[in-house]
Amino acid sequence: EVVMTQSPAPLSVSPGERATLSCRASQSISSNLAWYQQKPGQAPRLLIYGASTRATGIPARFSGSGSGTEFTLTISSLQSEDFAVYYCQQYSTWPFTFGPGTKVDLK
Amino acid sequence: QVQLVQSGDEVKQPGASVKVSCKASGYTFASYGINWVRQAPGQGLEWMGRISAYNGDTNYERKFQGRVTMTTDTSTSTAYMELRSLRSDDTAFYYCARDAILRYIGLFDPWGQGTLVTVSS
Repeated sequence: EVVMTQSPAPLSVSPGERATLSCRASQSISSNLAWYQQKPGQAPRLLIYGASTRATGIPARFSGSGSGTEFTLTISSLQSEDFAVYYCQQYSTWPFTFGPGTKVDLK
Repeated sequence: QVQLVQSGDEVKQPGASVKVSCKASGYTFASYGINWVRQAPGQGLEWMGRISAYNGDTNYERKFQGRVTMTTDTSTSTAYMELRSLRSDDTAFYYCARDAILRYIGLFDPWGQGTLVTVSS
């Protein structure tokens, strides 16, 4: 099983600032990496797949990068609606596994 | 629009079974697989397995094999997840989530609203 880890936990950011979230896989997963956003009381939402492709309707301030074992999600200018928990997930091999999440909260 | 609507919250005793439903609308049901993901309160996400709505093929996470059964009813565009021999640590929100992209396994979108299953004596 591929183990996913995330840092930092949590991340305190002021509105308008850049947020950089990291995700690491225990073995190479090529670019088979997705990011999800989950707000309190809601189901997760797909943000990024293929490590860097934004899902339909996702604002351009969200961007992803990386390949192999190291990945990054960047929110270029944090908006109030972006305060949430962000999970990375690998879909390179079964079983599909998630990281523990990074909570982005108000500084 | 594509929508997944799940059945209501459940309270079960240890050792019992629970069956959660997930009714799909807004797309051709048989064209996409349905995944089940659970989340214990305040915790992270755990993928449980996937069922092809086209042919019923299933892939279960090893820790759930023998205790979980995923099925679909194409006549009603509904997927089901049954978990047996419930324990207190099965208390969680259970989500269904469609394969996000046609013929692309491993991405989940959209998600159902979640069903809270509480296991308590």
